[in-house]
Amino acid sequence: DIQMTQSPSTLSASVGDRVTFTCRASQSISSWLAWYQQKPGKAPKFLMYKASSLESGVPARFSGSGSGTEFTLTISSLQPDDFATYYCQQYNSYSTFGQGTKLEIK
Amino acid sequence: EVQLVESGGGLVKPGGSLRLSCAASGFTFTNAWMSWVRQAPGKGLEWVGRIKSKTDGGATDYAAPVKGRFIISRDDSKNTLYLQMNSLKTEDTAVYYCTTAVCRSGGNCYIFDYWGQGTLLTVSS
Repeated sequence: DIQMTQSPSTLSASVGDRVTFTCRASQSISSWLAWYQQKPGKAPKFLMYKASSLESGVPARFSGSGSGTEFTLTISSLQPDDFATYYCQQYNSYSTFGQGTKLEIK
Repeated sequence: EVQLVESGGGLVKPGGSLRLSCAASGFTFTNAWMSWVRQAPGKGLEWVGRIKSKTDGGATDYAAPVKGRFIISRDDSKNTLYLQMNSLKTEDTAVYYCTTAVCRSGGNCYIFDYWGQGTLLTVSS
């Protein structure tokens, strides 16, 4: 099974900051990586696929990069609506999610 | 507008069974691959299983923790997805989400683009 590890577990930041989340796969997954955003009590929202392709309607301040085993999600200028938990997901072999990074207000 | 509405959650004793339903609307359910994803209280997301459309063969895949105990099925005449859960364990306690499962620019079709609001299963004696 492919394991996904996200870091950090929690990230504190302010509106306007640039933040980066990291996701590592236990083996190469090429670029078969997606990102989701989840707010408390709500279902996750699909943000990005193939490591760097933004889903329609997702703001351009979100960007992704990486391939193989190392991936990042960057938010260029944090907005109040962005404070949430972010999950990476590999879909190279079935599906596995990372444990999440909670983005909180500093 | 795509809508996925789960139902059927509740309290079940260990070893018991329960069936969850997901009513779909706003898209052509017959052509859709569908999946279940769960989230234990305060924990992360865990893929449970997926079913292909009948036109693509209708095959199912399951995550190791539920394989042999859970069964995903669909009734295209009712636009409804099901999750039959047997031999339930306390560690199956979670909110269960119904999702669409799609492909984007290739790859395996395990991208979950639309989600329901979830239904809570509690397994406890």
